[in-house]
Amino acid sequence: AQKVTQAQTEISVVEKEDVTLDCVYETRDTTYYLFWYKQPPSGELVFLIRRNSFDEQNEISGRYSWNFQKSTSSFNFTITASQVVDSAVYFCALSEGGSYGKLTFGQGTILTVHP
Amino acid sequence: EAQVTQNPRYLITVTGKKLTVTCSQNMNHEYMSWYRQDPGLGLRQIYYSMNVEVTDKGDVPEGYKVSRKEKRNFPLILESPSPNQTSLYFCASSRTGQPNQPQHFGDGTRLSIL
Repeated sequence: AQKVTQAQTEISVVEKEDVTLDCVYETRDTTYYLFWYKQPPSGELVFLIRRNSFDEQNEISGRYSWNFQKSTSSFNFTITASQVVDSAVYFCALSEGGSYGKLTFGQGTILTVHP
Repeated sequence: EAQVTQNPRYLITVTGKKLTVTCSQNMNHEYMSWYRQDPGLGLRQIYYSMNVEVTDKGDVPEGYKVSRKEKRNFPLILESPSPNQTSLYFCASSRTGQPNQPQHFGDGTRLSIL
C-alpha cells in the first residue's frame, strides 16, 4: 500500500534562511506521481508541482526547488531565501498508476517564517 | 474564473442532524472527490467520482454518502453526523481520473459536530 511520510511536523526559520521540507514515500507501483501542495493560513490548498516516476530531473521555479531521488524514495522541497509569505502547511502527496486519481497525503509540515 | 466552490464554509451542528455539504466546479471536470483533513493525518479520501452516476469509496467512507447526478456537482451527505466527523473537508476536481492530473481544491468546509 502507498504511504507518504513527512517526518518534520513543524519548522521555524527566520526570513532569508533556506529551508528544506522532507518527503519520503512508499509504493509498489513503477508508475506513480508525486505532488506538493501548499496550504496558507487562509486554508485553501494550492498545487505547486507534479513529478512522474520516470523523470528524476530536479526542478527549480524561482525560489522553489524540488529534489526527486528514486534511490531513496524521496521528493524533497527547498525554499531558498524564505519569506514570511512562505509560512504555510506543506503537503507532499502520491498518486499511483492505478489509483483512479486518489492522492495519498503526508501528514504535512507546518513552516513558520519569522521576520 | 475556474474554481471549486464549497458551501457552507463553516458549520456547527449537533449529533444526528442530517447535513449536506455542496460542491460545484465550473471547469467541466470529469473527476471529483472528497477529502477530510485531520491534525497529524494529512488529508484522506472519503469518496470519489469518475464521472456522472459513477461513485466509489475512498479510504474513509463510513458515515458519508455522495451522489453525482450532474457533472458539476458532487454533494457530501452526512445522514447522522457524529462528533468523530468533526473535521475540515475539501472537495477536489480534476479533468480526468488519471493519476497524473493535478487536483483543484475548494476552500474547505469546517464542520463541528457537537
